[in-house]
Amino acid sequence: KQEVTQIPAALSVPEGENLVLNCSFTDSAIYNLQWFRQDPGKGLTSLLLIQSSQREQTSGRLNASLDKSSGRSTLYIAASQPGDSATYLCAVESGGYQKVTFGTGTKLQVIP
Amino acid sequence: NAGVTQTPKFRILKIGQSMTLQCAQDMNHNYMYWYRQDPGMGLKLIYYSVGAGITDKGEVPNGYNVSRSTTEDFPLRLELAAPSQTSVYFCASSYLADEKLFFGSGTQLSVL
Repeated sequence: KQEVTQIPAALSVPEGENLVLNCSFTDSAIYNLQWFRQDPGKGLTSLLLIQSSQREQTSGRLNASLDKSSGRSTLYIAASQPGDSATYLCAVESGGYQKVTFGTGTKLQVIP
Repeated sequence: NAGVTQTPKFRILKIGQSMTLQCAQDMNHNYMYWYRQDPGMGLKLIYYSVGAGITDKGEVPNGYNVSRSTTEDFPLRLELAAPSQTSVYFCASSYLADEKLFFGSGTQLSVL
């Protein structure tokens, strides 16, 4: 059974700092890995999707990497801003399409 | 584009009552999903649909029913509500499997 872990559960950084969020998964036979942002009381917004054949994806200040063999993904946020404060979740699709396993998220606070 | 629209945003039910959570998308997506999010837990898939007239169970389907009569709509029915169904419910959609998920803003449901 796929398990997705995100450590730490919470992170606080000063504005302007570069930071890395971590995601690990137990079964490396994945179709894709997706990073989401969730604001309080809101739904999830997809930030980046990495297919199993890819190593990384970039969007603006965000860069996500994928290492299937080690069961790890990282989300790099450059020059963090207070508006980046949110909970970031990763999710992997494996064991069949529509079988998406979510982590419990890292709550990020960027302090002005 | 409204994206994925969920109603209601909040609801309180008494034990044994029934209700339908509404979900509609205007992106012509084939795939639609219902998830529940409990505090400290990852999102769990309740039901999903790969197209009009086709639905299937996810990880936690007990106590719920769905239908998909049109591409746009995917309502979730709760029969005989129980306190264990207190949760935040999210509807999501994607054009195909293995693609980005688009989420609604959620329905916070309390069963007392």
